[in-house]
Amino acid sequence: DAGVIQSPRHEVTEMGQEVTLRCKPISGHDYLFWYRQTMMRGLELLIYFNNNVPIDDSGMPEDRFSAKMPNASFSTLKIQPSEPRDSAVYFCASSFSLAGASYEQYFGPGTRLTVT
Amino acid sequence: GQQVMQIPQYQHVQEGEDFTTYCNSSTTLSNIQWYKQRPGGHPVFLIQLVKSGEVKKQKRLTFQFGEAKKNSSLHITATQTTDVGTYFCAGPTSGTYKYIFGTGTRLKVLA
Repeated sequence: DAGVIQSPRHEVTEMGQEVTLRCKPISGHDYLFWYRQTMMRGLELLIYFNNNVPIDDSGMPEDRFSAKMPNASFSTLKIQPSEPRDSAVYFCASSFSLAGASYEQYFGPGTRLTVT
Repeated sequence: GQQVMQIPQYQHVQEGEDFTTYCNSSTTLSNIQWYKQRPGGHPVFLIQLVKSGEVKKQKRLTFQFGEAKKNSSLHITATQTTDVGTYFCAGPTSGTYKYIFGTGTRLKVLA
């Protein structure tokens, strides 16, 4: 398996523009997570899905952020409009569960977002 | 809300010295995971501990889960330059798959 795939790897955009980050989880994994990493706030969970259904979006900072998972092999994180404080590395991760037990998360390479 | 703190925040060691990072949760954890992130890279899973007092070893790395399941430690014996990176612990919010990551310990190994 190719692992978790994220695109783009780097994104530079101007304040006010819409940004869409994409993620393809590992086939067979039923959990998908979106994280944001900054020096100041560390690694924060934004939202996670189970079987394509959003379970907890309490980490989404504002209404400007939205995430979808239309099918088991694709998810998007959208920021509209973007602001300079959204600059960070955004990671997507996936994992599987078995009999109620959780297992390791496999992280994608991340998308480095810069909003000017 | 649940908090997971790690100490120290940074650690510089000479190659060959030992290194330990400590992880403390504000709540009891059902399990704890450890990840390593190389500079410019992404977090990579190292291990998961589930039982109270559990100790697991991976070559030079020793992981321990506290008796009260609220703290954990990672000890590296005889560090090497390949150990450079940030080490994170992560614990799930009770009854969920929502993992809270610790603040991380950045390790630098001087050759």
